[in-house]
Amino acid sequence: KAGVTQTPRYLIKTRGQQVTLSCSPISGHRSVSWYQQTPGQGLQFLFEYFSETQRNKGNFPGRFSGRQFSNSRSEMNVSTLELGDSALYLCASSSTAVYGYTFGSGTRLTVV
Amino acid sequence: AQSVTQLDSQVPVFEEAPVELRCNYSSSVSVYLFWYVQYPNQGLQLLLKYLSGSTLVKGINGFEAEFNKSQTSFHLRKPSVHISDTAEYFCAVSESSNDYKLSFGAGTTVTVRA
Repeated sequence: KAGVTQTPRYLIKTRGQQVTLSCSPISGHRSVSWYQQTPGQGLQFLFEYFSETQRNKGNFPGRFSGRQFSNSRSEMNVSTLELGDSALYLCASSSTAVYGYTFGSGTRLTVV
Repeated sequence: AQSVTQLDSQVPVFEEAPVELRCNYSSSVSVYLFWYVQYPNQGLQLLLKYLSGSTLVKGINGFEAEFNKSQTSFHLRKPSVHISDTAEYFCAVSESSNDYKLSFGAGTTVTVRA
């Protein structure tokens, strides 16, 4: 059974640009969550999607957005990139959230 | 609102020695508890979880954790570590009032030395 797949693994962008990250959940998982991991702030929840609807949102500015498609694949978009957006972005999927989440390997975003 | 405190940011330990990583949480309702491990340049891997039932939970790679409701703790233990256990460990909590969103502790870096 394939795990959670995130693409790309590494990304370098310039300030002011926008970026789209992709996440393919485990087959059958309808919940997809996104987290930002930085050395200073640790792991912070961005948002969660379930059946194409945003179910939960963390405390991030509107520059961070996401969506989920009918096949449960999810994308995360960050517009007008800032240096502080440099981080590891982790996607996690679940069939039933109460049982926990399976994480992907992450996308390392560097903003220069 | 729930919060998670990992009491040790760094834990150095010799190979074959035991290790305990401490985790405390604050929540006024029933919670679900998790320990994840992160190896360098990788995502998070679930070690074990407590949902209900026995307070002693066994996970992968020889790890176990004990849920203590009165002390609101969920400490992780391994009786004998290997070099390959060098990694960062995260305690996480979720609850129904928050749609089971995971809240993470700051992490504990375990360095195993020969």
